[in-house]
Amino acid sequence: AQTVTQSQPEMSVQEAETVTLSCTYDTSENNYYLFWYKQPPSRQMILVIRQEAYKQQNATENRFSVNFQKAAKSFSLKISDSQLGDTAMYFCAFMDVGSGNTPLVFGKGTRLSVIA
Amino acid sequence: DTGVSQDPRHKITKRGQNVTFRCDPISEHNRLYWYRQTLGQGPEFLTYFQNEAQLEKSRLLSDRFSAERPKGSFSTLEIQRTEQGDSAMYLCASSLYPSGDGYTFGSGTRLTVV
Repeated sequence: AQTVTQSQPEMSVQEAETVTLSCTYDTSENNYYLFWYKQPPSRQMILVIRQEAYKQQNATENRFSVNFQKAAKSFSLKISDSQLGDTAMYFCAFMDVGSGNTPLVFGKGTRLSVIA
Repeated sequence: DTGVSQDPRHKITKRGQNVTFRCDPISEHNRLYWYRQTLGQGPEFLTYFQNEAQLEKSRLLSDRFSAERPKGSFSTLEIQRTEQGDSAMYLCASSLYPSGDGYTFGSGTRLTVV
């Protein structure tokens, strides 16, 4: 079974600064997708960014980018120019697409606080 | 489409009572998922459907839990004989298979068992 580990329960960053959230995963599969989801306080979870394992190029979405290290099974999220609205729980998630897209497996999350 | 809708948003029930939650997915999505989330934790998979077929149930899912998706549209999650340990946020999500675009989540139903 796949597992996802987020080793930073809480982090904080000053507004306009850059922060990196860590994620590692364990799998024996070769064809999978990785995701970062954001869950603001009392609001629904939304997709931030997705990475396909067969792609070597790291995914980027505006201020959000990932550092995908397949051999190390590491998938970190970098948030540049942090904004107050980035304050949220961030979850890393794994999907095995070689077996019919298995349900997402989530990490325990990192609580990010952006400080003015 | 207004996204994934869940009803009710909040439910308080007495221990031993039965509760039922509803989820309306994005209409074009053929897969529907139920997750449970406790405070400060990541979502934990419960079960999922492709159209009306229930494809998988978590081994952690008690027999007191049952889910349906008649006609492949909305889904219901029922918990019988609720226990205090059932208190959690119940999240519903939908996706379009085989696309791996990720899930669209609803706002969740917060259950409190007293």
